[in-house]
Amino acid sequence: AQSVAQPEDQVNVAEGNPLTVKCTYSVSGNPYLFWYVQYPNRGLQFLLKYITGDNLVKGSYGFEAEFNKSQTSFHLKKPSALVSDSALYFCAVRDASGTYKYIFGTGTRLKVLA
Amino acid sequence: DAMVIQNPRYQVTQFGKPVTLSCSQTLNHNVMYWYQQKSSQAPKLLFHYYDKDFNNEADTPDNFQSRRPNTSFCFLDIRSPGLGDTAMYLCATSSGTGEVDIQYFGAGTRLSVL
Repeated sequence: AQSVAQPEDQVNVAEGNPLTVKCTYSVSGNPYLFWYVQYPNRGLQFLLKYITGDNLVKGSYGFEAEFNKSQTSFHLKKPSALVSDSALYFCAVRDASGTYKYIFGTGTRLKVLA
Repeated sequence: DAMVIQNPRYQVTQFGKPVTLSCSQTLNHNVMYWYQQKSSQAPKLLFHYYDKDFNNEADTPDNFQSRRPNTSFCFLDIRSPGLGDTAMYLCATSSGTGEVDIQYFGAGTRLSVL
């Protein structure tokens, strides 16, 4: 069965510091991985995806993610955090069963402190 | 401009009183999804449509039904809401064209069952 794990419920980082939000995955076959962000009382917004190619994927709002096949990880990163980055972040994997379903991680709350 | 629109944004209903949530999209996407999200947890897929083809999750209660009368609209009907159905309900779409596409989410409907 496919799954994603986000080991940290919350990450705190000071404004201006680099941030990392962790995600590990378990899939059969090629992984199709995504990051979404959710602000309070809003739907999820797409940040970036990995399908194939370069292991470093660049996305919206200065975020990037590093795909590591040997460690089965897809960590979200940003070189310099902003207070406005404070939100709930979800890692997701596309189900490989031939449907159009996506499996979400449990989410990580990011707090950027001024 | 909003591409996936959910109405209403907030809904309060009484225990056992049927309620309908609506979702519309301007993206002409083939796939529409309904998720239930409780207390900043991971979104839980209830069902999805590929065009008119309905796909129910095995653990979705029978109390939850859905209709998709055309490409643009999809409805979530809760026939007899219980207190445990208090949650955010998210509608999402994806193109379903065979490539690994992203999901576009609406802003959600926050349902309170009293």
